[in-house]
Amino acid sequence: DPKIIQKPKYLVAVTGSEKILICEQYLGHNAMYWYRQSAKKPLEFMFSYSYQKLMDNQTASSRFQPQSSKKNHLDLQITALKPDDSATYFCASSQEGQGAYEQYFGPGTRLTVL
Amino acid sequence: GQQVQQSPASLVLQEGENAELQCNFSSTATQLQWFYQSPGGSLVSLLSNPSGTKHTGRLTSTTVTKERRSSLHISSSQTTDSGTYLCAIAKRSNYQLIWGSGTKLIIKP
Repeated sequence: DPKIIQKPKYLVAVTGSEKILICEQYLGHNAMYWYRQSAKKPLEFMFSYSYQKLMDNQTASSRFQPQSSKKNHLDLQITALKPDDSATYFCASSQEGQGAYEQYFGPGTRLTVL
Repeated sequence: GQQVQQSPASLVLQEGENAELQCNFSSTATQLQWFYQSPGGSLVSLLSNPSGTKHTGRLTSTTVTKERRSSLHISSSQTTDSGTYLCAIAKRSNYQLIWGSGTKLIIKP
């Protein structure tokens, strides 16, 4: 059974629209993260949450808003979508948010903005 | 400059040969993970090795923290090992993972 679920797997959106990417983890972890992988670029960190509180935000744009409704959920809302937002978005989790804990990754949501 | 550098950028081997991948990083790392990214894009953690040597199956990772380098050795490579291998470090300051650009490994039958 998958331990980190991301929905949907693929997503196509039009410029200017809004989408929500879903992430649920069943590892019993207390920290969750979002990373983005754009074409031909290294993966980049976006957000980290620990015990449902924002720990770190490296995303310059306020169009990206994480939402944590439950301890094991961390969704990502993206508003006013742009073609440059096209990327694969990975959700990850670790036992704790502070300390050298191994991070585990979901399968990703591939977003294409037309 | 890039904080995590991986080499080589690509590597082509015959099945059965051993592969040696390198990761050099410019900051003190409290965590270092090696990942495999399949051609389809999925990301799998292979090893967590901030220091010393770790083995799992045909994989061996050696990290020399003081020299800020890590290696991943794949023995007796198989065609199914083909994909991209990523190295990522976490710094003590914020524990976010910082990624290298990866080594694309192609194993020919």
